[in-house]
Amino acid sequence: EAAVTQSPRNKVAVTGGKVTLSCNQTNNHNNMYWYRQDTGHGLRLIHYSYGAGSTEKGDIPDGYKASRPSQENFSLILELATPSQTSVYFCASGTNTGQLYFGEGSKLTVL
Amino acid sequence: AQSVTQPDARVTVSEGASLQLRCKYSSSVTPYLFWYVQYPRQGLQLLLKYYSGDPVVQGVNGFEAEFSKSNSSFHLRKASVHWSDSAVYFCAVRNSGGSNAKLTFGKGTKLSVKS
Repeated sequence: EAAVTQSPRNKVAVTGGKVTLSCNQTNNHNNMYWYRQDTGHGLRLIHYSYGAGSTEKGDIPDGYKASRPSQENFSLILELATPSQTSVYFCASGTNTGQLYFGEGSKLTVL
Repeated sequence: AQSVTQPDARVTVSEGASLQLRCKYSSSVTPYLFWYVQYPRQGLQLLLKYYSGDPVVQGVNGFEAEFSKSNSSFHLRKASVHWSDSAVYFCAVRNSGGSNAKLTFGKGTKLSVKS
């Protein structure tokens, strides 16, 4: 069954440490996305990609990098994690008309 | 730039009652519109979508939504809610033109259904 899987599902990191969140999709979609979800803010777009080798800045890209080495994989990288980046992160793949398929989320706590 | 406003952060209704969740959008071109639902500890799932044509679109589990260009709205409705409909509902917009696949979400409305 086509799916979007995220790893790790839970992560505790220290301030200043490096964190990589990984996402794999079997939907064969060109488009992939990273969102974060916070109470009072809903979902906010961090980075997205149109295909392998491409990354685009979303609405809140500061402090984050993204990497799309293949059609299936899209990573979110926090080079120097801060407590303000404590959140739940969702990866999604999507069609060109905007229909998205989400992973189950990665809960990140930065101490 | 596109944006979405969901004016109600929380809505509580009794089981069997009708439901309307409000969504207002801002877009420079005719948009593609979506409603997604998030059950506890899960990712979002598509409820329904509007691309063009009939302004009333049907979704899963008895949900429907009506697009209004004049009001810039895309409200979600259900005739009779069930306790299992308790979840967070998100409205989203994507500009229909061009290759930009960026989807913008509202802040969500948390629906509680009381028995």
